[in-house]
Amino acid sequence: GAGVSQSPSNKVTEKGKDVELRCDPISGHTALYWYRQRLGQGLEFLIYFQGNSAPDKSGLPSDRFSAERTGESVSTLTIQRTQQEDSAVYLCASSGGTGEARGNQPQHFGDGTRLSIL
Amino acid sequence: SQKIEQNSEALNIQEGKTATLTCNYTNYSPAYLQWYRQDPGRGPVFLLLIRENEKEKRKERLKVTFDTTLKQSLFHITASQPADSATYLCARGSSASKIIFGSGTRLSIRP
Repeated sequence: GAGVSQSPSNKVTEKGKDVELRCDPISGHTALYWYRQRLGQGLEFLIYFQGNSAPDKSGLPSDRFSAERTGESVSTLTIQRTQQEDSAVYLCASSGGTGEARGNQPQHFGDGTRLSIL
Repeated sequence: SQKIEQNSEALNIQEGKTATLTCNYTNYSPAYLQWYRQDPGRGPVFLLLIRENEKEKRKERLKVTFDTTLKQSLFHITASQPADSATYLCARGSSASKIIFGSGTRLSIRP
C-alpha cells in the first residue's frame, strides 16, 4: 500500500506487561514520528527519527518508553511495564523532509494503534 | 513554553455557512502552520500549510490565513457540508523544532 501502516490496530493487555507497536512508513520518507493521543485530546509528540541521525527523544514520557528505527524503514515503539495511564492511541507519521526543513513538510499518518491497559 | 491553542473545543454551524476555526500561538512566531483533518478512529490527514511570509493560502473551499501580529491563524471552510464534519487540528513548526499540535476543534455541520 501507499500509506503509513501501523500494527496492531488494537491491543489490549494487562498492566505490567510489555507491548511493541509497529510502524511501516511510506517508502522513501526519511522522517518518522511517533505521537500519543489520549481520548478527546490533541497529539503529544513522543519521538522523531531522521535518516541515520540521532533521534529526538525529548517527548518520551518515561524510561519505560523506547523506540527504534533501522535506516529509513520500519520503526517499533516499545512500552515496558505498562500502566493504565498508557492507554491511548499511538500514531505514527512519516514525511519526506530533512531535519532542516521538517517544520514545513506535511506529515502522513497511519490510523494508529489503540492501546488499552486493563 | 511554546504553545499552540485552538480556543474552540467544538463548533456547530448550519450547512452552507462558512466555518471559521482559530489557532493561536504564544512565545514565538512559528515559521509554518499546518492544518489537518481527523475523522473518528483515523489518523490526521494533511490539508494546508502556510508560511509566515504568506498572508493567505487557498485550496478549493478551504482558506487559511496567518497573522503574525495577532499570532493567529484562521481556517475557513466555505459552503460547508455535513461531510466536512470532523476534528481539525493546527500544528506549528519551524526549521529546527519539533512540530507541536493543538488539541483540535470538533466541527459539526448540520443539514
